[in-house]
Amino acid sequence: SQKIEQNSEALNIQEGKTATLTCNYTNYSPAYLQWYRQDPGRGPVFLLLIRENEKEKRKERLKVTFDTTLKQSLFHITASQPADSATYLCALAGFQKLVFGTGTRLLVSP
Amino acid sequence: GAVVSQHPSRVICKSGTSVKIECRSLDFQATTMFWYRQFPKQSLMLMATSNEGSKATYEQGVEKDKFLINHASLTLSTLTVTSAHPEDSSFYICSARDETGGNSPLHFGNGTRLTVT
Repeated sequence: SQKIEQNSEALNIQEGKTATLTCNYTNYSPAYLQWYRQDPGRGPVFLLLIRENEKEKRKERLKVTFDTTLKQSLFHITASQPADSATYLCALAGFQKLVFGTGTRLLVSP
Repeated sequence: GAVVSQHPSRVICKSGTSVKIECRSLDFQATTMFWYRQFPKQSLMLMATSNEGSKATYEQGVEKDKFLINHASLTLSTLTVTSAHPEDSSFYICSARDETGGNSPLHFGNGTRLTVT
């Protein structure tokens, strides 16, 4: 069956370090993958999209990689800040709809 | 940027009553909107796809008579939880795209926390 896996344990890092979050999937061949940020009690906010023919995408302090052979995406936040603390969700494209992973909570301590 | 407004943000209702949640696209038209449900520390689960002017498409296991969806205009979709029960208590979130095509990002409302007592 199709599965999207993100680390359910919170990731704790110190301010200024690089946070790396992982999204693994099985039995999917997505045309693209998206990353969202979700704060408690709020709806997700779109961050980045990466297509299957792209290896890497950057936006300011954010970087996403997409390895269709490993069936994995990595999401990096460089020079992390306490304001980056949130839950980060990856989402894979199905036909006209997105399927979300469970998300990984990131805690950046000052 | 594209904004999706969802109302109410919180609602408490008694078991057996119905609750309506509204989802509006404020600065764009959305022929399709999506309704998700999220339990604590779990992923967003797609409940249904709301199509303007036609019937909604429900995901497997979601009761269409329980969760009524109406997409009467290009900027408004409503979800009505009928005869609510405590197990319907959850966080309901709507979303929409502001352009056609499958790979544009979703814009989400801020969700509705439903508590059924």
